[in-house]
Formats: sequence, C-alpha cells, structure tokens
Amino acid sequence: DAGVIQSPRHEVTEMGQEVTLRCKPISGHDYLFWYRQTMMRGLELLIYFNNNVPIDDSGMPEDRFSAKMPNASFSTLKIQPSEPRDSAVYFCASSDGLAGGTGELFFGEGSRLTVL
Amino acid sequence: AQKVTQAQTEISVVEKEDVTLDCVYETRDTTYYLFWYKQPPSGELVFLIRRNSFDEQNEISGRYSWNFQKSTSSFNFTITASQVVDSAVYFCALSEEETSGSRLTFGEGTQLTVNP
Repeated sequence: DAGVIQSPRHEVTEMGQEVTLRCKPISGHDYLFWYRQTMMRGLELLIYFNNNVPIDDSGMPEDRFSAKMPNASFSTLKIQPSEPRDSAVYFCASSDGLAGGTGELFFGEGSRLTVL
Repeated sequence: AQKVTQAQTEISVVEKEDVTLDCVYETRDTTYYLFWYKQPPSGELVFLIRRNSFDEQNEISGRYSWNFQKSTSSFNFTITASQVVDSAVYFCALSEEETSGSRLTFGEGTQLTVNP
C-alpha cells in the first residue's frame, strides 16, 4: 500500500488567502484524523472522521477552519482566510479502528504551511 | 481528561550509551492504549509500539524496550546501545477507548540527540 498521501508537501501563502490541504487515507481504513504540529502547542488533534462522518471537531481552532470527507478515499482541510499563526505542519492519519477504535495510526508525511 | 507528560525536553548522549525516555500519563478510563512514535529529522511520524492497559508485560524489540507500570502511570522507553540514527523526537501518546475512540493525545515530545 502507498500509505497516507498528503498534498501539498509545502505551501507558502499570504495572509488572507485560502488554503486547502488534501489527504488520501490508506484504503480500507475507517478512521481519518487531522493533526497540527507547532513548536508552541506540539501535536494537537483538529478533527477526526469515522466512515466519512465527522466525529469530533472540538480541536478545530475557529470558524476559519473546515474539514470535509466526501468519500472514503479523500479528505480536505481548508483554512479561509489564512493567518500567520496558522503556520504549522498539518498531518493526516488513518486507522483501521481495531480494538474498539484504538488501532495504530498511520501518518502521512505532513503538509508544511507557511502564511506570510 | 487525558494527559501525557514527557518531562525531558531534550536528551543528548554519546553513541553506544543507553538512554531512557520517560512518559507519564493521566486517564480516568480503565481501558486505554499507550503508544510511542518516532519523528526523525525528515518529519514523518513512525509508529513504534502500542500497549493496552491490561498488558503490563515489558516488551523488547531489538535495541528498544518498554516498561509499562500502571502503579506509577508510566510507560518508559529505553534504547540500548544508542546509535546516531536514533536521533529524533520521540512522542508518547494515549488513547482512551471509551471516550474518544481512536484519537491520540500526544506528549510534548523528547528530542534525542545521539552524538558519534
């Protein structure tokens, strides 16, 4: 399997612009997660989906952030409008949800976002 | 609420030394899972181990070993005969099966540097 695929790997944009990050989970995985990594806050969960349905979005910072999963093989995380404090590495991860939903998470390589 | 604490921000050792990375967790659940992930300089997150709360047996995998002690809420990670390639940030993480499905709460991470 190709693993979790994220795009773009790097994104540099200006404040106020819309940013869309994309993720293709591992085929057959029922859970998809979006994490954000910053020096100040470490790794924090933004939102996760089970069978394409958002389960918990309490980690989404504010209304500027939105995530969708239109089908089992694709998810997006959108920031509109972007701000410099959104600069971070955004990771997508997927899991097959073994043992009641606590199976291993497989992470993508991350999307490094810089907002100027 | 769940919490993971990695008190060691940075550790520096010389090659071939043994090193232990500490992890202390907090949870109200009786069923939970503990994880260790490695993040090398390239940035991806690599799964190392998953342990459930009912299995306190220590585990050894090559130069890696893990010591799980429920009495002290700790899940420490030891690298024996460290190598330069072990240099990375190591994250301990917790998942509470009953309340949060597959979501992981990560510790702050420990930056390990192995010098030749």
